[in-house]
Amino acid sequence: SQELEQSPQSLIVQEGKNLTINCTSSKTLYGLYWYKQKYGEGLIFLMMLQKGGEEKSHEKITAKLDEKKQQSSLHITASQPSHAGIYLCGAPNSGGSNYKLTFGKGTLLTVNP
Amino acid sequence: DTGVSQDPRHKITKRGQNVTFRCDPISEHNRLYWYRQTLGQGPEFLTYFQNEAQLEKSRLLSDRFSAERPKGSFSTLEIQRTEQGDSAMYLCASSFLGQASSGNTIYFGEGSWLTVV
Repeated sequence: SQELEQSPQSLIVQEGKNLTINCTSSKTLYGLYWYKQKYGEGLIFLMMLQKGGEEKSHEKITAKLDEKKQQSSLHITASQPSHAGIYLCGAPNSGGSNYKLTFGKGTLLTVNP
Repeated sequence: DTGVSQDPRHKITKRGQNVTFRCDPISEHNRLYWYRQTLGQGPEFLTYFQNEAQLEKSRLLSDRFSAERPKGSFSTLEIQRTEQGDSAMYLCASSFLGQASSGNTIYFGEGSWLTVV
């Protein structure tokens, strides 16, 4: 079965600093989803990457998919307290059907003002 | 479009009781998923529906769990004879499987917290 490992497990940064979260898969990636979660709440969709080499940006968050390395990275530029939360990566178990996601354990981000 | 709605948001029940959670997906989404999440872990897939058909169930879904999606709209997840190990957040998600390359973006609800005492 596929496993996703996220690093780091937790991260504390000063407001305004840049940061990167990585998600590495044990198997071939057929796409990668990034979500954000506040403690005790649901998942907020951030981005979906479907092709190797794809890169997407939304506001100050950029995500890339490296199929060869079976890895995705999430980069936040000039972090703000509103970026604080748990970031989760999820990947479909197979290509085409794209329905059953396996998730990593999450990266807890704290942004100090 | 109000997003994926789940009800109730929190439920405390005694061991052995039955509980039911409801999920209303985004309108016109033909796929609906149930996941379970415990503290410090990512969500784990339980089951999914395409329209009214339940197409796959995880081994995590014991015989005490049953999910339905009559008429392909809202869904219910029932847990019978609850056990303390069932305590978790139950997340519902939906997506639209279509021809667009941007299709099948999976949107999650706020989750339903279950505490079994």
